[in-house]
Amino acid sequence: DAGVIQSPRHEVTEMGQEVTLRCKPISGHNSLFWYRQTMMRGLELLIYFNNNVPIDDSGMPEDRFSAKMPNASFSTLKIQPSEPRDSAVYFCASSRAGASFYEQYFGPGTRLTVT
Amino acid sequence: GNSVTQMEGPVTLSEEAFLTINCTYTATGYPSLFWYVQYPGEGLQLLLKATKADDKGSNKGFEATYRKETTSFHLEKGSVQVSDSAVYFCAGSETGKLIFGQGTTLQVKP
Repeated sequence: DAGVIQSPRHEVTEMGQEVTLRCKPISGHNSLFWYRQTMMRGLELLIYFNNNVPIDDSGMPEDRFSAKMPNASFSTLKIQPSEPRDSAVYFCASSRAGASFYEQYFGPGTRLTVT
Repeated sequence: GNSVTQMEGPVTLSEEAFLTINCTYTATGYPSLFWYVQYPGEGLQLLLKATKADDKGSNKGFEATYRKETTSFHLEKGSVQVSDSAVYFCAGSETGKLIFGQGTTLQVKP
């Protein structure tokens, strides 16, 4: 079975540029999560969706970050404009919705470097 | 609010040593509890889980028991291997949203 797919795996961009990260969740999963991981702050939940609807975006750092889920099989996380402090590994995860005992399945991550 | 606290690392052990990584949670209800493992350069993988009190999760020689009376979910392994070197995350969920601990780095030396 295909797991969570993220693209690109690595992204290097200059400060001020727009960055778009992509995620395809596991088929049949209807919850999707975006996380950011850095050495300084550890693993942070940015936003999550249930049935394509954003449920909690309290972790989104600021207005430069936005996330969409236009359908059940695709989500994007956009940073515009990017800044060096956005450099991190961004993970997407998916799970079945509706119960606490459903584990999340993580993608391999996108390593973002903003110079 | 809900929170998960795990022991700080790094933890350095010799091969075949016994491992314990402590995890305690604070929650309004009775969360499901999970241990995830992250190998270098990879995403998090579910290691084991327990969904109610006294449940024991186990996988790949690792075990953890959901202790409601102490609100704990400590990870144990009787004999670690070099290949177990990774970062281990404890997490809890009441709604499907995971609350993670800060992670514990384990290094196993031959």
